[in-house]
Amino acid sequence: EIVLTQSPDFQSVTPKETVTITCRASHNIGRALHWYQLKPDQSPKLLIKYASQSFSGVPSRFSGSGSGTDFTLTINSLEAEDAATYYCHQSSSLPLTFGGGTKVEIK
Amino acid sequence: QVLLVQSGPEVKKPGASVKVSCKASGYTFGNYGINWMRRAPGQGLEWVGWISAYNAATQYAQNFRGRVTMTSDTSTNTTYMELKSLTSDDTAVYYCARLPAGYYFDFWGQGTLVTVSS
Repeated sequence: EIVLTQSPDFQSVTPKETVTITCRASHNIGRALHWYQLKPDQSPKLLIKYASQSFSGVPSRFSGSGSGTDFTLTINSLEAEDAATYYCHQSSSLPLTFGGGTKVEIK
Repeated sequence: QVLLVQSGPEVKKPGASVKVSCKASGYTFGNYGINWMRRAPGQGLEWVGWISAYNAATQYAQNFRGRVTMTSDTSTNTTYMELKSLTSDDTAVYYCARLPAGYYFDFWGQGTLVTVSS
């Protein structure tokens, strides 16, 4: 099973700051890494697929990078609406697995 | 637009079963699989399994094999996940999500809270 280790677990930031979330895979997963945003009482949203491809309709301040075992989600110029928990997910091999999540709070 | 609408919250006793539905609209149902995952209180996301809407083939996570059954009704564009022999550890929000060929999840349902309590 591929283990995804996300960091940090929690981040408190002010609006307009840049947020960087990392996801490290226990094995090489190429670029089969995806990022999601979860907010209470809302349907989760796909942000980034295949490490760096922005999903349709996602604001351009969200970007992803990385390959192999190390990946990053960057949120530029954070907005209040970005308060959420973010998860990485690998689809390289079964079982599909997720990182532990990063909760982003707005100061 | 693509919509996945799940059934409402459930409260079950230990040992019981629960069946959660996920009704799809806005796309050709048979062209995509449906994936299920859950998020227990204070925990992260956990993959439960998926079902192909095309041929009803399933793939279940090891932790759920023998307890979970996923089915699809192409006449109503609805997918079901049934989980048996519930324990308090199964208390979670269960999500369905559309599954394109790349095995990521592009559209999600709103989630269904299943509470297992005596």
